[in-house]
Amino acid sequence: ETGVTQTPRHLVMGMTNKKSLKCEQHLGHNAMYWYKQSAKKPLELMFVYNFKEQTENNSVPSRFSPECPNSSHLFLHLHTLQPEDSALYLCASSQDSDLRTGELFFGEGSRLTVL
Amino acid sequence: AQSVTQPDIHITVSEGASLELRCNYSYGATPYLFWYVQSPGQGLQLLLKYFSGDTLVQGIKGFEAEFKRSQSSFNLRKPSVHWSDAAEYFCAVALVHNNDMRFGAGTRLTVKP
Repeated sequence: ETGVTQTPRHLVMGMTNKKSLKCEQHLGHNAMYWYKQSAKKPLELMFVYNFKEQTENNSVPSRFSPECPNSSHLFLHLHTLQPEDSALYLCASSQDSDLRTGELFFGEGSRLTVL
Repeated sequence: AQSVTQPDIHITVSEGASLELRCNYSYGATPYLFWYVQSPGQGLQLLLKYFSGDTLVQGIKGFEAEFKRSQSSFNLRKPSVHWSDAAEYFCAVALVHNNDMRFGAGTRLTVKP
């Protein structure tokens, strides 16, 4: 098992669909993250969970709804998305939320296309 | 505002040639700096990190980076590039006051045979 696993790897959805992205980490970490990676743009932090509590919401539109039922699982629920939301969504985890001394471990990403 | 700039969007080098990828940061306090690599279809993997001490840090896969405070730079180097090094490279800085790591836009490396 790789450290951080994301499913699905690819998702195509219409603007009226509801879908979810799933992330699971097998590293025993306490912090989990959602990042958005668009072409030619820096990675954008979306959400941070530390010990299952959301500690950051980086002004993300409400059509993205995160859920963290436990320290090992993180979901991103998608509803009425826009074509500009098409991107690679990366999940990451770290031992704790102090990234100054830690390291982010990334999944392979979920490639989302919104039609 | 804290930011990371990678001036080169795309670099092409020949296999066996040396490599230097540039990174400049804008950050008031002591920076915590990182280089990550993303191979096609993969997530990001940490190459190396700088917190304090020796300004030349060694990483995995033969990479090193040098922190230069006077130039606000943290350039990544490798003496001899291999075809498997073709990937996208991201410089990043960890912020003190929130759980965030600010990334540059990335530099895509192509390796010519």
